[in-house]
Amino acid sequence: GESVGLHLPTLSVQEGDNSIINCAYSNSASDYFIWYKQESGKGPQFIIDIRSNMDKRQGQRVTVLLNKTVKHLSLQIAATQPGDSAVYFCAENIGTYKYIFGTGTRLKVLA
Amino acid sequence: GAGVSQTPSNKVTEKGKYVELRCDPISGHTALYWYRQSLGQGPEFLIYFQGTGAADDSGLPNDRFFAVRPEGSVSTLKIQRTERGDSAVYLCASSLLPPPREQFFGPGTRLTVL
Repeated sequence: GESVGLHLPTLSVQEGDNSIINCAYSNSASDYFIWYKQESGKGPQFIIDIRSNMDKRQGQRVTVLLNKTVKHLSLQIAATQPGDSAVYFCAENIGTYKYIFGTGTRLKVLA
Repeated sequence: GAGVSQTPSNKVTEKGKYVELRCDPISGHTALYWYRQSLGQGPEFLIYFQGTGAADDSGLPNDRFFAVRPEGSVSTLKIQRTERGDSAVYLCASSLLPPPREQFFGPGTRLTVL
């Protein structure tokens, strides 16, 4: 499949290390956020979400942190694996059906 | 059950031609979205359906773009008089109501206009 994003910011991490991917969102009224993973040639895949009444949410090997004061979202991946290599997008929702996606970060896992 | 499917996976057409892109959402998902994704960018909202009606088509770039969902399930995105700038991956997503809810994306249709 085609490459999703040839000029994206890239984060390279060693296999087994933790990864932190950051996202600045645009709208202070946004109250729901999602992190997506997109592999080449595929559609975005849901990883984890968080609502604005929380500042942290944990899933399996992933944690999302929300700082509403500075409109910042981060995704932490523990013990990064080769299968985590992909482009990661954050998306914000302003309480309705419309989502605004960030530009994405490419994660490269080094063996 | 099956996820969101989109056909064709790839479409190559000539400038000026008409194309139709199809989306089969997850059964029971009332909400359906179309997005466009250019290389190096995140998905860009085009249109949102709640059931059969287009609740918001504000993301459609111009009147060459049109989408329908006549029976509240399958949706078709139609592009008339295609231009080279229409080349992109067109993504479809569906979700339950009410929003905001997790969206499930299809694999996309890669449109190339020569």
